[in-house]
Amino acid sequence: GAVVSQHPSWVICKSGTSVKIECRSLDFQATTMFWYRQFPKQSLMLMATSNEGSKATYEQGVEKDKFLINHASLTLSTLTVTSAHPEDSSFYICSARSGTGGADEQYFGPGTRLTVT
Amino acid sequence: KQEVTQIPAALSVPEGENLVLNCSFTDSAIYNLQWFRQDPGKGLTSLLLIQSSQREQTSGRLNASLDKSSGRSTLYIAASQPGDSATYLCAVLLNTDKLIFGTGTRLQVFP
Repeated sequence: GAVVSQHPSWVICKSGTSVKIECRSLDFQATTMFWYRQFPKQSLMLMATSNEGSKATYEQGVEKDKFLINHASLTLSTLTVTSAHPEDSSFYICSARSGTGGADEQYFGPGTRLTVT
Repeated sequence: KQEVTQIPAALSVPEGENLVLNCSFTDSAIYNLQWFRQDPGKGLTSLLLIQSSQREQTSGRLNASLDKSSGRSTLYIAASQPGDSATYLCAVLLNTDKLIFGTGTRLQVFP
């Protein structure tokens, strides 16, 4: 149980275009989903937290107009990178949590590799 | 600001050795601490989760300990195997609902 999927697993896009990444909880309802970014040989950095039906909370330094997050249902959250640039190339990982308590475990997706040319 | 540091950054050992990976965090006000494994280009696999009230957790050849007061956790891997080669990440869950990741330890176990 507790499987999280991401789509696509990798994507190449041209500079200036927008890319949407989906994160789905397959066998549980996720009240909260998290989006992380990981640069090569670095650790994961939290970008934003989203609760179903409400606006996402972005971490300091993350542009909310550039990284649009939508959590429209209890099983799906999307991250749209708008007007992508080469510096946005990274590994994006989502996680999902079923409970509302902070101590509930997060389950991670397999990640999406974004390359902007 | 919570900072999570892992030592060593990289480790290369022969098969069969027992290993200790270290994780330290600056603020002891955490909900729990979790150890993950990440293979190159892949997502995270959760290995062990230790609640703040616990001292250790064990799963197979893995044992993780937590000393919250000193801000330290160790991951012990017994009888290492080439299949254990990966990057190991520790992460602490803050009471603000955020998971803060460490810098990672890249492990290579050679036959």
